[in-house]
Amino acid sequence: EDKVVQSPLSLVVHEGDTVTLNCSYEVTNFRSLLWYKQEKKAPTFLFMLTSSGIEKKSGRLSSILDKKELFSILNITATQTGDSAVYLCAVPLRDTGTASKLTFGTGTRLQVTL
Amino acid sequence: GAVVSQHPSRVICKSGTSVKIECRSLDFQATTMFWYRQFPKKSLMLMATSNEGSKATYEQGVEKDKFLINHASLTLSTLTVTSAHPEDSSFYICSAGVRVRGTEAFFGQGTRLTVV
Repeated sequence: EDKVVQSPLSLVVHEGDTVTLNCSYEVTNFRSLLWYKQEKKAPTFLFMLTSSGIEKKSGRLSSILDKKELFSILNITATQTGDSAVYLCAVPLRDTGTASKLTFGTGTRLQVTL
Repeated sequence: GAVVSQHPSRVICKSGTSVKIECRSLDFQATTMFWYRQFPKKSLMLMATSNEGSKATYEQGVEKDKFLINHASLTLSTLTVTSAHPEDSSFYICSAGVRVRGTEAFFGQGTRLTVV
């Protein structure tokens, strides 16, 4: 059975700290791994990773994939209160040509305090 | 581009009534859309795959007669929660799968359903 597991489940840090969120997966026919940020409504896309060892970066957020060890990490440096959210990791399960259904991990709930 | 609009964003209904949620792709055609459900403090769980012009494919454990899906056009999929009960209260989100800017899915804003 395909599986996506995230850790930790929740995390509380002080503003300015650096955090690392983990996502491990076991899926057949792996193609890519996606990270999303979810605040109160629908998830917003952060990164899509397809190749091992290539870091993707967007401002204070970065992410990398290890296809040998089957995991990915999401780093947030100099955290701000606006980073408080649930971070979701997802893996597409089937390639239908233009669409794939996603299996999501449990999510990591990050709270950044002043 | 690749905007998905979901409506309504919030609905409260009485037990026994039916509620329809719409998901529209605004600037692209989506032959496939997905409906997810999210309970408080839980992750998104795929309910069904909505296919334009054909029957939806439901995930194991999801009642197809309870959650009716219609995908009559390339830009609109609807989810109807029939004879809603309090345990159907949840956050429902649709997505349309499209490879744009390297992403694999764009999500609607979500609908928070409360059944009283």
